[in-house]
Amino acid sequence: DGGITQSPKYLFRKEGQNVTLSCEQNLNHDAMYWYRQDPGQGLRLIYYSQIVNDFQKGDIAEGYSVSREKKESFPLTVTSAQKNPTAFYLCASSPRQGESYNSPLHFGNGTRLTVT
Amino acid sequence: GNSVTQMEGPVTLSEEAFLTINCTYTATGYPSLFWYVQYPGEGLQLLLKATKADDKGSNKGFEATYRKETTSFHLEKGSVQVSDSAVYFCALSGSAGGTSYGKLTFGQGTILTVHP
Repeated sequence: DGGITQSPKYLFRKEGQNVTLSCEQNLNHDAMYWYRQDPGQGLRLIYYSQIVNDFQKGDIAEGYSVSREKKESFPLTVTSAQKNPTAFYLCASSPRQGESYNSPLHFGNGTRLTVT
Repeated sequence: GNSVTQMEGPVTLSEEAFLTINCTYTATGYPSLFWYVQYPGEGLQLLLKATKADDKGSNKGFEATYRKETTSFHLEKGSVQVSDSAVYFCALSGSAGGTSYGKLTFGQGTILTVHP
């Protein structure tokens, strides 16, 4: 079955450490996204990528970095510069929006990051 | 920029009650509108969508009509079940040619709890 795999499901880090969240998809989608979910605030876009080797900042990119070296993979690094990193992180993918701009997103099951 | 406003939650209903979750939006152009559902500990799943004015999206007994005159996309279900307990998100996608092209903007989410 095609889908999006995020790992690990739970992640714990000490303050000041960088941490990388994995996201892999086998849906053959060109576009991939990272969202952050906080209680009562819905989802906020961190970074997105419409094609390999290209990505754009979303609404809350500060303190985060991404890479898109392969179509299937879009890892997110939460750096020590992120002031409030504890959150639920969701990865998503979709067909390239230029081909069908109303395509829905397919989501992974998320990674819950706790930084103490 | 684009924005989505959902009714405040949480919403608590008895089984077989009628459900309405209000959603209004602000956007330029002609966005597509979506409802996503999130079950505990999981990512989001597409529930239904509408791509143009007066379209009605429907799935699993849920319905929502794209009302451009009132900029609304309210979610309704005639008879809810315990299994419908989840968080519901309204979202819109930027329309072609706009600065939000290819990105989804989410509301803050509404928690629904259905009791037997």
